[in-house]
Amino acid sequence: EVQLVESGGALVQPGGSLRLSCAASGFTFSSYWMSWVRQAPGKGLEWVANIKEDGSLQNYVDSVKGRFTISRDNAKNSLYLQMNSPTAEDTAVYYCVRGGGRGVSDPWGQGTLVTVSS
Amino acid sequence: DVVMTQSPLSLPVTLGQPASISCRSSQSLVHSDGNTYLNWFHQRPGQSPRRLIYKVSNRDSGVPDRFSGSGSGTDFTLKISRVEAEDVGIYYCMQGTHWPPTFGQGTWVDIK
Repeated sequence: EVQLVESGGALVQPGGSLRLSCAASGFTFSSYWMSWVRQAPGKGLEWVANIKEDGSLQNYVDSVKGRFTISRDNAKNSLYLQMNSPTAEDTAVYYCVRGGGRGVSDPWGQGTLVTVSS
Repeated sequence: DVVMTQSPLSLPVTLGQPASISCRSSQSLVHSDGNTYLNWFHQRPGQSPRRLIYKVSNRDSGVPDRFSGSGSGTDFTLKISRVEAEDVGIYYCMQGTHWPPTFGQGTWVDIK
């Protein structure tokens, strides 16, 4: 069974930093683009970033460029999102998604909540 | 970014009756590779989204055949032939043709 399990969500102060992780199982992780998608409380969905199978290419939505970094460790079947200098607008549930958005875009993990507040 | 516009935003339906959701994009979703990357997702309260339909009209594994997708270019539709209680929740269209992928605002489907 394909599974994605996120962790690392927490309360973080504006200007701080946080690292999210996603543990993947049930499929050949190194063969898929992977992504992070977020959903602010009571709001819609926003694709944050994606990363190529071998980690050689990353894409970011403009609102996080220069602050967030997506990375992966194929030996550990893990995806990461390093969040630097977050603001209140980054408060959301962050989902790990198999796929880059164009082709595969399923399944999604259960999500991890990030709250940015002082 | 490509703007995805769904209508209606709220859709009360009677069990056993059909339902239809429209999704329009601000640009054509036909990719240079010839595919149209338009997906539909369903999100139940408190759960993560689940994809139902990919590339306009292809049902994902395990999705009941009462769900169907259609459309082309900038105009797309999700239809439920006979709504069941488990179909309540929010439905999102999503385009993956242009970066960044973008979603519609969501359509809340509930039972009358």
